[in-house]
Amino acid sequence: EVQLLESGGGLAQPGGSLRLSCAASGFTFSNYAMSWVRQTPGRGLEWVSSISGNGATIYYADSVKGRFTISRENSKNTLYLQMNSLRAEDAAVYYCAKDFGITRISVKGDFDSWGLGTLLTVSS
Amino acid sequence: DIQMTQSPSSLSASIGDRVTITCQASQDISDHLNWYQQKPGKAPKLLMYDASKLDSGVPLRFSGTGSGTDFTFTINSLQPEDIATYFCHQCDSPPFTFGRGTKVDLK
Repeated sequence: EVQLLESGGGLAQPGGSLRLSCAASGFTFSNYAMSWVRQTPGRGLEWVSSISGNGATIYYADSVKGRFTISRENSKNTLYLQMNSLRAEDAAVYYCAKDFGITRISVKGDFDSWGLGTLLTVSS
Repeated sequence: DIQMTQSPSSLSASIGDRVTITCQASQDISDHLNWYQQKPGKAPKLLMYDASKLDSGVPLRFSGTGSGTDFTFTINSLQPEDIATYFCHQCDSPPFTFGRGTKVDLK
């Protein structure tokens, strides 16, 4: 059974940094692209970033480009999101999500499994 | 960016009713469209992929049609456990985008 467990959320100050992690199990992690998607009551679901199974293909939403960095450590079955220069509008529940099909070198973005999410609050 | 216009934003229906939700893409996305169900405090759950294919274990009362820019999601015979919010999602090209959701509740 696929399991995705996010961690690392919490309270951060505007301009601050935080790193989210997503521990994966139940599938061959390196075979699948992974993504971060965030959700707020006001803006709904918003895709943030994706990374291919081998880490070579990466995409970012314009709203986070230059501030967030997605990465993965396949030996540890873990996905990361380093978030710098945080803004109030980054506050959200952050989910990690797995691509549906095998995507070692590409990203499809057709998420079939999601974690439970981790809450980021940005406030001074 | 591809905009996904989903309607209605909410609807009320009775048990046994047929429920229909539509999603329109701002450009041709072929059949690269998924539908998700989300219950309060839970993660989205994949119901349909490639516009019309049921994910494993999803009841047959759920169905999806469409290609190009216009898509429809249907629940035949609404059940109590179907009370949730439903989202469409285009995975044709990044930035991947979502509809704003349709909240389904009981009349």
